[in-house]
Amino acid sequence: QKEVEQNSGPLSVPEGAIASLNCTYSDRVSQSFFWYRQYSGKSPELIMSIYSNGDKEDGRFTAQLNKASQYVSLLIRDSQPSDSATYLCAVDSNYQLIWGAGTKLIIKP
Amino acid sequence: ETGVTQSPTHLIKTRGQQVTLRCSSQSGHNTVSWYQQALGQGPQFIFQYYREEENGRGNFPPRFSGLQFPNYSSELNVNALELDDSALYLCASSLDGEPQPQHFGDGTRLSIL
Repeated sequence: QKEVEQNSGPLSVPEGAIASLNCTYSDRVSQSFFWYRQYSGKSPELIMSIYSNGDKEDGRFTAQLNKASQYVSLLIRDSQPSDSATYLCAVDSNYQLIWGAGTKLIIKP
Repeated sequence: ETGVTQSPTHLIKTRGQQVTLRCSSQSGHNTVSWYQQALGQGPQFIFQYYREEENGRGNFPPRFSGLQFPNYSSELNVNALELDDSALYLCASSLDGEPQPQHFGDGTRLSIL
């Protein structure tokens, strides 16, 4: 069974610091990778998508993909209290998305 | 541009009952995927509909069924409800049968008593 693994946290980071979130996946043929943010009681919101090895930056967010290591990460620079949420990693596998259980991120003022 | 809308927002049912959840896809999107998210877990893929046909199914029993209409809106039906069916049910829309990127509705919180 295809799996996506994330550290459940909580990950506590001081305001203004860099938050680093990690995800590993088992399906070697996966081509599309996504990071979603989910606030408590709300639905997931797409933050980043990445399809090629390397880094992709969007504002304060950087996604990093290493297909050889089957590893994808999300960096959040200048962390803000509003970044406190659960971050979900999703990986495409056979035309469906396989999701990790999410990492709870807490930004301390 | 109209986003994904789901109804109802909350629902309480008892074991053995049946439920229908509804989803209107984002304008221009012809693919709808349904997910079940239990508390503290990531979403679990139930199935996907593309141009009114089921286009993939996760590890859910046949009592979970669906439908997509010509306007690309969709329904999720669950028969013989069980306590473990209590969850947030999410609908996401996308283009052309591909799973990405997906835009989620606000979800339906289903509680089984």
